[in-house]
Amino acid sequence: GENVEQHPSTLSVQEGDSAVIKCTYSDSASNYFPWYKQELGKRPQLIIDIRSNVGEKKDQRIAVTLNKTAKHFSLHITETQPEDSAVYFCAGYGNKLVFGAGTILRVKS
Amino acid sequence: EAGVTQFPSHSVIEKGQTVTLRCDPISGHDNLYWYRRVMGKEIKFLLHFVKESKQDESGMPNNRFLAERTGGTYSTLKVQPAELEDSGVYFCASSQGGRRVGQPQHFGDGTRLSIL
Repeated sequence: GENVEQHPSTLSVQEGDSAVIKCTYSDSASNYFPWYKQELGKRPQLIIDIRSNVGEKKDQRIAVTLNKTAKHFSLHITETQPEDSAVYFCAGYGNKLVFGAGTILRVKS
Repeated sequence: EAGVTQFPSHSVIEKGQTVTLRCDPISGHDNLYWYRRVMGKEIKFLLHFVKESKQDESGMPNNRFLAERTGGTYSTLKVQPAELEDSGVYFCASSQGGRRVGQPQHFGDGTRLSIL
């Protein structure tokens, strides 16, 4: 079955810097890759997603890239702000959503 | 539009007791999913309903867990009898129907289940 690895497990950045979170997946049939942000005590919120027929997608300060050949995808957050602090989960979807273990992002002001 | 709602938000029960969690998906969403996150670990898939039918229940841990979605609207997840290892946060998510693979899933706030 699908396995999704996520790195790093924790990431601290200075406000205004960029943050990058990387994920790899094992199932070449996976074709949909969402990213979720979960703030403390709140629900996971879908922040961006990408499909396998697209290499990159941007939404304001957030971008996601996908390399199907290498089976990895990454989340890029530019100009980080304190409110970006949260746990971020990547996921891959073949016939079900399989999540990475999460990255705790801390943005220091 | 109301989001996915889950009830209760917290439940504390003793080992051996029964607990029932409820999920109300976004109105009109055919797909309903249950997930579980054990402390500090990844969010794990439990099962998937399409309307009232179980599409995939490969993630259900054992036969102490029973999920239903009568009428294809809300869903319940019953744990009977509860064991210590069942503690965690149980999330429900829903997505629209249709043939497109990988519809965006919208999550509820989760039910935090503690087994003593």
